[in-house]
Amino acid sequence: EAGVTQFPSHSVIEKGQTVTLRCDPISGHDNLYWYRRVMGKEIKFLLHFVKESKQDESGMPNNRFLAERTGGTYSTLKVQPAELEDSGVYFCASSQWGGKADTQYFGPGTRLTVL
Amino acid sequence: DQQVKQNSPSLSVQEGRISILNCDYTNSMFDYFLWYKKYPAEGPTFLISISSIKDKNEDGRFTVFLNKSAKHLSLHIVPSQPGDSAVYFCAASDNNAGNMLTFGGGTRLMVKP
Repeated sequence: EAGVTQFPSHSVIEKGQTVTLRCDPISGHDNLYWYRRVMGKEIKFLLHFVKESKQDESGMPNNRFLAERTGGTYSTLKVQPAELEDSGVYFCASSQWGGKADTQYFGPGTRLTVL
Repeated sequence: DQQVKQNSPSLSVQEGRISILNCDYTNSMFDYFLWYKKYPAEGPTFLISISSIKDKNEDGRFTVFLNKSAKHLSLHIVPSQPGDSAVYFCAASDNNAGNMLTFGGGTRLMVKP
């Protein structure tokens, strides 16, 4: 069974540009999460989808970040316009039922560098 | 305000010995705890978890202990192997408040042959 995949693995852009990250969850997983790790700090929650609906977006830093999950399959996270402080590793995770004691499985991450 | 803390940034252990990684939390509403292992350039890999109704969970060489009164959990690896060298993250969730995981800062474990 394929795991969570993310594309690209690495992106280098200039401040002010737009970047779109993609995540493909494990097949059959309705729950999809975005996290990010900035400057070697702890991994922080961004948002949670259940199928195509945003269940919790309390961790989204500001309105420059837009996440979508059309059709309830893969998800995209767009940063527009990118700022220097957006640099970090963006992880996607998925889980099956999203209930109590549910385990989230992570992808390899996208390393974003904003110059 | 960090709700999950791993106070040891690194730990070095001899192969065959026990590795003990510690994690403290402040939010008494957390009811599910997980440990993830992370290699460089890879995502966190799920290792073991424990529900707040238990105080111990064991899976092969890995055992997680939970002390709710002290708001402390630990991961024991016995015996430690060089392949266990990685960064270990403790994570917690409050399942009554959604599924978001709150992570600690990680502990880098180095197992020497």
